[in-house]
Amino acid sequence: DAKTTQPTSMDCAEGRAANLPCNHSTISGNEYVYWYRQIHSQGPQYIIHGLKNNETNEMASLIITEDRKSSTLILPHATLRDTAVYYCIVRTDSNYQLIWGAGTKLIIKP
Amino acid sequence: EPEVTQTPSHQVTQMGQEVILRCVPISNHLYFYWYRQILGQKVEFLVSFYNNEISEKSEIFDDQFSVERPDGSNFTLKIRSTKLEDSAMYFCASSIQGMEQFFGPGTRLTVL
Repeated sequence: DAKTTQPTSMDCAEGRAANLPCNHSTISGNEYVYWYRQIHSQGPQYIIHGLKNNETNEMASLIITEDRKSSTLILPHATLRDTAVYYCIVRTDSNYQLIWGAGTKLIIKP
Repeated sequence: EPEVTQTPSHQVTQMGQEVILRCVPISNHLYFYWYRQILGQKVEFLVSFYNNEISEKSEIFDDQFSVERPDGSNFTLKIRSTKLEDSAMYFCASSIQGMEQFFGPGTRLTVL
């Protein structure tokens, strides 16, 4: 079973920041937090991952709380093309598989 | 930008037939994976492959399934005798160091 909990769905206005929360209260010290998304009928797309520190790349920012029990994915300026299901996954660096939950369906509205 | 490719995009087969789904991972990647997603359900891990052998597999990946890297570029998933419940999207993924995985567009398998 997935080790994370996420809201089922969220809306965000186009051009605004989308903040997607994830709870992973049982995360272990050697587990990373990964974010992927799946746009309808397409293959999942890697977004970002982190261990303890906040991370930023060209797609998004990842904010991990100090106790590592939760995190937030931030899409700074959401566009209609960001409408997708977003998955938060925890995984060790030596555990090959990704265990998927139901994710958050993010709808960007014009 | 390099990407994972999969063929065919859609495969229709009769129950009991063998199917081979093909993937071309990103060229310098070393870790390869197959996942599936039944319509409307979660993505499920099937198998991972590294250094020419299976490194991890799920309960779904039973004796009816096999994987192969027949040459330096292709990675295949074979289902020996398809069942109706094998109908799903099958995604191939690859990774350079086993961290972030990059996915292909998927093959939709329909078993009649």
